[in-house]
Amino acid sequence: QVQLQQSGPGLVKPSQTLSLTCAISGDSVSSNSAAWNWIRQSPSRGLEWLGRTYYRSKWYNDYALSVKSRITINPDTSKNQFSLQLNSVTPDDTAVYYCARFPAAGPLGGWFDPWGQGTLVIVSS
Amino acid sequence: QSVLTQPPSVSGAPGQRVTISCTGSSSNIGAGYNVYWYQQLPGTAPKLLIYDNSNRPSGVPDRFSGSKSGTSASLAITGLQAEDEADYHCQSYDSSLSGWVFGGGTKLTVL
Repeated sequence: QVQLQQSGPGLVKPSQTLSLTCAISGDSVSSNSAAWNWIRQSPSRGLEWLGRTYYRSKWYNDYALSVKSRITINPDTSKNQFSLQLNSVTPDDTAVYYCARFPAAGPLGGWFDPWGQGTLVIVSS
Repeated sequence: QSVLTQPPSVSGAPGQRVTISCTGSSSNIGAGYNVYWYQQLPGTAPKLLIYDNSNRPSGVPDRFSGSKSGTSASLAITGLQAEDEADYHCQSYDSSLSGWVFGGGTKLTVL
């Protein structure tokens, strides 16, 4: 079955860049049907979708409006993984960050399954 | 302030039935987009519980059911068990935000 394994630092200083990686097993980041997402969870915001990358003959990215100016999600086909970079972080970006697969989109939506194990990222000096 | 609104908490005794509501708007649930439900046990990642409003993935007990009407959806849990104590989250798509949105989560306590 598909498994996602996250890695990256748990502490980031304000104004710096948050970087996380999600390694995929049991599927391909270059899948023509799935999309690869980052979602975060905090007590104040609940679950918040941040963005995705996916391949449909070429690479596409979609980002949430709330972070669009600061976020980059990149695929790494050589390692079958994808990454999150969030620039200019503030304490408000403190959250548990999850990667998740979106198996296939229909015209009326789709779901996230499975999820990575989660990484608590604290933004503090 | 989540786009989808859920009650912060619900509770019930073992064996009872509880429902969790998820209220949206004309740009998400009311626009016809499907609703998904996730169960999040303490210290773990969310796990898909209901997809496409009312369907259960393989392995999810039939004690869990979902429904949708207008701008709202509901998750019902019958025959409550201690192991059902968890946070439950709803999810849909929002056309005005062009992205996926979640409810704030509901903590279920089994008394």
